[in-house]
Amino acid sequence: DTEVTQTPKHLVMGMTNKKSLKCEQHMGHRAMYWYKQKAKKPPELMFVYSYEKLSINESVPSRFSPECPNSSLLNLHLHALQPEDSALYLCASSQGGGFPGELFFGEGSRLTVL
Amino acid sequence: DAKTTQPTSMDCAEGRAANLPCNHSTISGNEYVYWYRQIHSQGPQYIIHGLKNNETNEMASLIITEDRKSSTLILPHATLRDTAVYYCSASERSGNTGKLIFGQGTTLQVKP
Repeated sequence: DTEVTQTPKHLVMGMTNKKSLKCEQHMGHRAMYWYKQKAKKPPELMFVYSYEKLSINESVPSRFSPECPNSSLLNLHLHALQPEDSALYLCASSQGGGFPGELFFGEGSRLTVL
Repeated sequence: DAKTTQPTSMDCAEGRAANLPCNHSTISGNEYVYWYRQIHSQGPQYIIHGLKNNETNEMASLIITEDRKSSTLILPHATLRDTAVYYCSASERSGNTGKLIFGQGTTLQVKP
């Protein structure tokens, strides 16, 4: 199984809603990542988890709250988002132990904030 | 992190080699060069990476100049399915993990 599964594929939420994005992998990878991608732009790194601990936060606003409950799961909790947060949110994983190596990406969750 | 610059777009004839350049003039000695591609509506896909030696795998070849300030990704026989955005990145270890920061990307259009 070389897949990273992201749910939901599409999400529409209002600015006062609380929602979560979920990411799962069963490759035994110990590093997991969240990226944000706006239309026609490259993915932008948001968070990196290494061995279930947050190791990189790229100065992301607190309305985005990551969580890594175990080595296979990564969540992104969303609260009080703005319309400009509408984007494709990509999850990725890698073997870990430090250096990125090859990242395996999911198909993404497309978020629309109204 | 080193900044990478790539041409915005390129065309290639089907069956010919596609050569995609990348400049990374501020790359440090510890930074690897990575290439990913993203086909419309899909997540990015890893292609290849290298430090200073040329690398080849089943998908592509990576040629890194001796001063490591630029590199070229070569797809030896481009097919229509290779039409995608190709991202060049220079990334390094950061503490107990690493950072992969994407460049702006080159849109490669393979034409029949």
